[in-house]
Amino acid sequence: QSVLTQPPSVSAAPGQKVTISCSGSSSNIGNNYVSWYQQFPRTAPKLLIYDNDKRPSGIPDRFSGSKSGTSATLGISGLQTGDEADYYCGTWDSSLSAWVFGGGTKLTVL
Amino acid sequence: QVQLVESGGGVVQPGRSLRLSCAASGFSFNAYGMHWVRQAPGKGLEWVAVIWYDGSNKYYADSMKGRFTVSRDNSKNTLYLQMNSLTAEDTAVYYCTRDRNYYMDLWGKGTTVTVFS
Repeated sequence: QSVLTQPPSVSAAPGQKVTISCSGSSSNIGNNYVSWYQQFPRTAPKLLIYDNDKRPSGIPDRFSGSKSGTSATLGISGLQTGDEADYYCGTWDSSLSAWVFGGGTKLTVL
Repeated sequence: QVQLVESGGGVVQPGRSLRLSCAASGFSFNAYGMHWVRQAPGKGLEWVAVIWYDGSNKYYADSMKGRFTVSRDNSKNTLYLQMNSLTAEDTAVYYCTRDRNYYMDLWGKGTTVTVFS
């Protein structure tokens, strides 16, 4: 059972927009920045969003992040088949003194 | 170029020990905290441990406390993870990552640990 809760899977058609939620508590998301990671099969995860809503260099603006209270959301617009991957949210938990990840969400582009 | 390269994985019997290494290059290793993150087959990401840039602080996931020890040698630009009393549940790909305060911006390709009798 992950400290951060994500839906196991989401799906949408090419060109559409999808959102992935990440729910936590005041000890993690509520008081710390959230980051998001993209992972393709058999490869290492890659940073997608940091500090809630910032994109690293090279990440297209189709990817967006937001945070409200104890929840965060990853948005992907203009979906492409190449976006099919697993997505993880993560942050520091101040009560646990530990980094925590969500359980991951598998995105399917139909 | 800027990269992290893990090594030291392999097949080990339950109860034995293993030490993983992560060689950093292309950046000032001694200026960054570093994490270990693992991923069991078909499962999600699981954080293992973090060590401050100077080694002054270390934190561990509860399930690893007392069995795993993270350390670093800044003179060799290398991060380590000493794993003792291994069980089948420790079978995973182990990644080292660079800490940037609330996010991990650089990941290695990982090294695979298989605990098998």
